[in-house]
Amino acid sequence: GQNIDQPTEMTATEGAIVQINCTYQTSGFNGLFWYQQHAGEAPTFLSYNVLDGLEEKGRFSSFLSRSKGYSYLLLKELQMKDSASYLCAVRDKDYQLIWGAGTKLIIKP
Amino acid sequence: DVKVTQSSRYLVKRTGEKVFLECVQDMDHENMFWYRQDPGLGLRLIYFSYDVKMKEKGDIPEGYSVSREKKERFSLILESASTNQTSMYLCASSPGETAGANVLTFGAGSRLTVL
Repeated sequence: GQNIDQPTEMTATEGAIVQINCTYQTSGFNGLFWYQQHAGEAPTFLSYNVLDGLEEKGRFSSFLSRSKGYSYLLLKELQMKDSASYLCAVRDKDYQLIWGAGTKLIIKP
Repeated sequence: DVKVTQSSRYLVKRTGEKVFLECVQDMDHENMFWYRQDPGLGLRLIYFSYDVKMKEKGDIPEGYSVSREKKERFSLILESASTNQTSMYLCASSPGETAGANVLTFGAGSRLTVL
């Protein structure tokens, strides 16, 4: 079967750095996505990786290793507004998205 | 500002009732999707559509149907609601190309409670 694993919940301190991991086993690979979802709101797109390596976008970076079936989302200089759930999703060989259950990130002052 | 709009944020229905969830997008996207989101689970695809009057079953279509009569509108129908359909329903749309990121734009969700 196809599976996406990410931690259920993480806690970090305002101003710090946090890394949210995502591991996957899927039938083929055509890209990995990270979305952010604030409580009660729509998920919004953060990043897309299809090649190995690091993609940086401001305070957020996303890393991919296809050989290891592994990605992480790195959030720097954490702000209170970063408190949200972070969803990892992989597009399989049929271009269907497989979603992880999401990681709830709690930021403390 | 581009949008996916879901007509109802909160609904409470009784078992056996017919339920309509409406979704409209203003981005001229070809693809539209209905997901349900439950605690501890990833998003699960119910139905999707790549074109007007076209529909494809997702991973959990049982108990649901859809309608896409116009490009901008995708409706989810629960013919006879059951308590196990209590959930958050998310509509999304994306452009037609399969290459590249083809990012999903989501609506804010419709939280359905079936009593």
